[in-house]
Amino acid sequence: DIQMTQSPPTLSASVGDRVTITCRASQSISSWLAWYQQKPGKAPELLIYKASALDTGAPSRFSGSGSGTEFTLTISSLQPDDSATYYCLQYKSFSRTFGQGTKVEIK
Amino acid sequence: EVQLVESGGGLVKPGGSLRLSCAASGFIFSSYNMNWVRQAPGKGLEWVSYISSSGSYEYYADSVKGRFTISRDNAKNSLYLQMNSLRAEDSAVYYCAREGDYGGNPDVFDIWGQGTLVIVSS
Repeated sequence: DIQMTQSPPTLSASVGDRVTITCRASQSISSWLAWYQQKPGKAPELLIYKASALDTGAPSRFSGSGSGTEFTLTISSLQPDDSATYYCLQYKSFSRTFGQGTKVEIK
Repeated sequence: EVQLVESGGGLVKPGGSLRLSCAASGFIFSSYNMNWVRQAPGKGLEWVSYISSSGSYEYYADSVKGRFTISRDNAKNSLYLQMNSLRAEDSAVYYCAREGDYGGNPDVFDIWGQGTLVIVSS
């Protein structure tokens, strides 16, 4: 199975800060990577698919980049509503795997 | 409105069985591949199982292979997960998730249900 390593596990930043989360795949997954946002008690919501495509309805301050084994999710200007846990997902194989998650807190 | 609603969760003893259901509405259920994804309390997300739109193909995570069976009834717009030989480590919120049409095969999960909680404990 393809392993996904996400970092950092938690981060604390101020409103307006630029925030970056990283995901590394154990083997090349081309651009078959998605990013999700999950708030407590809620189902995950799709933000980014195919590494860099913004899903309909996702705020434009979210962006994704990378290919192969290294990927990043960037929040260009952190907002209070962005307090959540973020997960990457590889979907190169039917045996999908998520990263461990990054909890983003607002200072 | 596109919606997935899970049901069937609850408290079950180790070694017991449970059948989860997911009712779909607001889209043509028979056109979409479906999945189950779970999340243990305070933990991350784990993909559990996949079924193709016609029901012809199934895939399972190694952690549940041989114990769980995914199925669907397109006439009833419903997805199921039969869980046997349950273990404490199967305790989690179970989400059904639709696979969208974003150009991949497999593809991303674009619609999720609200989840149903399964607790395996004596």
